[in-house]
Parts: sequence; C-alpha cells; structure tokens
Amino acid sequence: EVQLVESGGGLIQPGGSLRLSCAASGFTVSTNYISWVRQAPGKGLEWVSVIYAGGTTFYADSVKGRFTISRDNSKNALYLQMNSLRAEDTAMYYCAKLDGYCSENTCLGGFDYWGQGTLVTVSS
Amino acid sequence: DIVMTQSPLSLPVTPGEPASISCRSSQSLLHSDGYNYFHWYLQKPGKSPQLLIYLGSNRASGVPDRFSGSGSGTDFTLKISRVEAEDVGVYYCMQSLQTPFTFGPGTKVDIK
Repeated sequence: EVQLVESGGGLIQPGGSLRLSCAASGFTVSTNYISWVRQAPGKGLEWVSVIYAGGTTFYADSVKGRFTISRDNSKNALYLQMNSLRAEDTAMYYCAKLDGYCSENTCLGGFDYWGQGTLVTVSS
Repeated sequence: DIVMTQSPLSLPVTPGEPASISCRSSQSLLHSDGYNYFHWYLQKPGKSPQLLIYLGSNRASGVPDRFSGSGSGTDFTLKISRVEAEDVGVYYCMQSLQTPFTFGPGTKVDIK
C-alpha cells in the first residue's frame, strides 16, 4: 500500500530554517516523481516544488532560492529544506506522488497519493 | 505562468441532482502527444486532496462513475451526475503542462 507521511513542521520565527520530511512506503522514491504542495490556512492549493526520478528539480518562484527539494534513496524519503522563512510561508505542506512521468518541465499525470500534511507556522 | 480560473466558486447542491464545475486555463493544455495535461482534485473537509480525474477525462482509481471530466485545450468541465452527501468539499483543477504547476482557486460544494 502506498503511503506518504510528512513530518518536521512546527512554529518557527521569520528568517529561520526548517526541514520537512516525507517518508514513503509502497513505492520507490528514486524512480518516481514527487512534489511538495502547500495550503495556507483557509486558502487554496499552491504547488511548491517537484523532484524527478532523474533528480531534476523545479520550484515555484515564491520559494526559488530559499527552498531545496531532495531525497534519500536509502531511506526512501523526500525532504524540503526551507530557509529564510517568511510569514507567507505559513501553510500545511503536503508531499504528493505523481502517477506518470515528467520530461523537461512537463508532467504527464496527476498526483495520485498525498500525505496527511505537516503544518508550518512562521511567526514571531 | 498558466492561470487557472474556476466557476462557480461556490455551489450549493441538492442530493440526487446533477452538478457541474467549469475550469478555464490561460493557455491551451493540449500537448502535442494528444493529452490534455489537466486534472481535477477534491479536498473533503479536514482531509488531504484526492485525485478525481486525470488527463482531462480519466477517472482515478476508486472514483465513482458519477464523476466525469470533459473538455480540451483551455476549457474543461467536471460533472457529477447525481450528487451524494459525501461529495461535499472543495474541488480544484490543476495543470501540469508546465512548471510552475498551477491550481484553480477552488469551488466549494456544499449541500443546500
């Protein structure tokens, strides 16, 4: 059974750093395409980043240069390193697996599995 | 960036009646491979989003056949043939044709 379990969220001051984790089971992260998607309180969904099976990464402009997506194949886990956090980064962060494949900056398929999310609150 | 718009943003529904949500993209989502890189999600209250329809018209695994997706290019529609109480939540459209992938603002569906 495919499962994604996020962790690492919490309360952090503006300018601080946080690393989110996404533990995967039932599939292999290294051969799949996985994204982080966030949702500010009471707001809609916002795509954050994606990592391809081959290691290629893409980011939303709002986080580019501050966030880094990575994975540990030995742990079958995905990460999101978040630096220089701002109040507007406050959100529930979900990891989501793509059902399909990606090439260049295009992904054929939707996100078929999502984690339960981890809440990040940036506030002084 | 590709902008996704949805209408209506709020949709009160009556159980047993049909319902329809529209989504429009600022540029065509029809790829040269013939697929529309367009998907529908439902986020039930307090839950993570779930995939309903992928590539414009394909129901995801386990999705009841009362849900159907149609459209091509820039205009897409999600239809529920007969709404059930469990269908309440926020429906989002999303494009994966190019990064940054973008979602529509969401359509909140609730029972009248």
